[in-house]
Amino acid sequence: EVQLVESGGGLVQPGGSLRLSCAASGFTFSSYWMSWVRQAPGKGLEWVANIKQNGGQKYYVDSVKGRFTISRDNAKNSLYLQMDSLRVEDTAVYFCARESLSTSCYDYWGQGALVTVSS
Amino acid sequence: SFKLTQPPSVSVSPGQTASITCSTDRLDDRYASWYQQRPGQSPLLVIYQDSKRPSGIPERFSGSNSGNTATLTITGTQTMDEADYYCQAWDTTFWVFGGGTKLTVL
Repeated sequence: EVQLVESGGGLVQPGGSLRLSCAASGFTFSSYWMSWVRQAPGKGLEWVANIKQNGGQKYYVDSVKGRFTISRDNAKNSLYLQMDSLRVEDTAVYFCARESLSTSCYDYWGQGALVTVSS
Repeated sequence: SFKLTQPPSVSVSPGQTASITCSTDRLDDRYASWYQQRPGQSPLLVIYQDSKRPSGIPERFSGSNSGNTATLTITGTQTMDEADYYCQAWDTTFWVFGGGTKLTVL
């Protein structure tokens, strides 16, 4: 059974940092692109970043470029999101999601981790 | 980049057909996917590659993509289908989601 389990969320002050983790199981993690998608309270879904199977390609939404870093450790079946210089508007539930091979969609999602940026 | 536009809300009576649209320019150059999200839950893929259903998704869910509009259709809508629905498409190096449509079944 495919499972994606996020951790590392919490309350942080503006300007602070936080690192999210996503533990993957039930599939060959190293074979898939992976993404982070966020959802601000009461709002819609927003793609944040994604990373290629070997970590060699990474893409970000403009609003987080230079502040967030996506990475992965295939030996540990884990995906990460390092979030620096956090802003109030980064407050959201962050989901890790698996990009389906060759079908242009997300076929599995984690349960989400809440990040609250507030003073 | 491009934007995907969905109606904020759609209402339907139980047993009737609900249609949710997702529009932009040149959408038929790209595959559209659809996700269902119930309150407090993660999104669930219900349609991919415009019209394909993942295993376990009921046959009453169907999709189409023509011109600049993708459409999610729920035939014989049930109360359990009440949720937010999001369309999604891929644009070279990034993913785009529509703003979401709240489907109310009443």
